[in-house]
Amino acid sequence: QVQLQESGPGLVKPSETLSLICSVSGGAMNTDYWTWIRQPPGKGLEWIGYKFYSGTTNSNPSLNSRVTISVDTSKNQFSLKLTSVTAADTAVYYCARGVEMADWGQGTLVTVSP
Amino acid sequence: QSVLTQPPSVSAAPGQKVTISCSGSSSNIGNNYVSWYQQLPGTAPKLLIYDTTKRPSGIPDRFSGSKSGTSATLGITGLQTGDEADYYCGTWDSSLSVWVFGGGTKLTVL
Repeated sequence: QVQLQESGPGLVKPSETLSLICSVSGGAMNTDYWTWIRQPPGKGLEWIGYKFYSGTTNSNPSLNSRVTISVDTSKNQFSLKLTSVTAADTAVYYCARGVEMADWGQGTLVTVSP
Repeated sequence: QSVLTQPPSVSAAPGQKVTISCSGSSSNIGNNYVSWYQQLPGTAPKLLIYDTTKRPSGIPDRFSGSKSGTSATLGITGLQTGDEADYYCGTWDSSLSVWVFGGGTKLTVL
């Protein structure tokens, strides 16, 4: 079973860029889609987007093109960048394998605050 | 407000059966596969059902998925206290070009 682990700053200032990395172990990255999801405290799940290892990318239009997802198969990692963050972007951010999200990381809380 | 509609909560006694509904439209559930996720308190979601009816390896057959028209259902039999969790449905929405989740259903095993 593929294992995933998110890492990155737990605090980001408003208007700055949120950057997270997901490290993947136990499987090859060059066969699947790689997905980011978030969950505001006490709320439901929101799909952020995915990227196929070879390039196809799709992200949530509600995030107004602030999202960039990259995949680096040589490092067994993929990443999320979310620009111009506000308090509304405060959430637990999860990375996952596949369009249907078969395997998930444990999640990392990112708080947007001055 | 979520594109997919789930009841906020359901409850049943240990050993009983419960179903959780997920209502959508022709642009999502009606023409795409449905997935279900279980989120135990304080943990990451886990895939329970994919392709509407299939269970990943390791998921017991107490969990089942079905679909009729623009609604999907998760069934859980032989309820255990360990099944207390939030359950989310999810699917692709072809009109919005986005993966959508239901608002989640909190299962209480009385």
